[in-house]
Amino acid sequence: DAKTTQPPSMDCAEGRAANLPCNHSTISGNEYVYWYRQIHSQGPQYIIHGLKNNETNEMASLIITEDRKSSTLILPHATLRDTAVYYCILRANYGQNFVFGPGTRLSVLP
Amino acid sequence: KAGVTQTPRYLIKTRGQQVTLSCSPISGHRSVSWYQQTPGQGLQFLFEYFSETQRNKGNFPGRFSGRQFSNSRSEMNVSTLELGDSALYLCASSLAQGAPGYTFGSGTRLTVV
Repeated sequence: DAKTTQPPSMDCAEGRAANLPCNHSTISGNEYVYWYRQIHSQGPQYIIHGLKNNETNEMASLIITEDRKSSTLILPHATLRDTAVYYCILRANYGQNFVFGPGTRLSVLP
Repeated sequence: KAGVTQTPRYLIKTRGQQVTLSCSPISGHRSVSWYQQTPGQGLQFLFEYFSETQRNKGNFPGRFSGRQFSNSRSEMNVSTLELGDSALYLCASSLAQGAPGYTFGSGTRLTVV
């Protein structure tokens, strides 16, 4: 079973920041927080991952709380193409597969 | 560079038949994982191959099998197909087992009738 909890759905206005929360209260010290997204009829796409520090790349920012029990994925300027299901996954880097939960269905509205 | 290529994109089979799906990883990637996605169960891990050896296996019956070739290309086989095997089968590749940032293909949509 997935070890993360995400809201089933969220809406966001185009051009605004989308903040997607994830709870992972039982995270282990060696587990990274990964975010993937899946646009309809495509395979999941890697977005970002982190251990305990905040991370940023060209797609998004990942904010992890100090106790590491929750995190937030931030899409700074959401576009219609960001409409997708977003998955928050915990994974230790070696020898472990990804366990996908139901994710959050983000709808970016014009 | 080319992404993960899965063939065929769509497939229709009859109950009781078998099917083979193919996955070509990104050049240089040596690990290949397979996932099944259905509306009811979501994305579920099937197995992972690295250096032609199965390194990790999900909770699926023995009808589901796979293999990896020396060029890192992988195939998965499902024998004695059941209606419940209808799904999107996704392949993901990475540089090595457990490496971050798996890259997924677009999948093969299998329909069993």
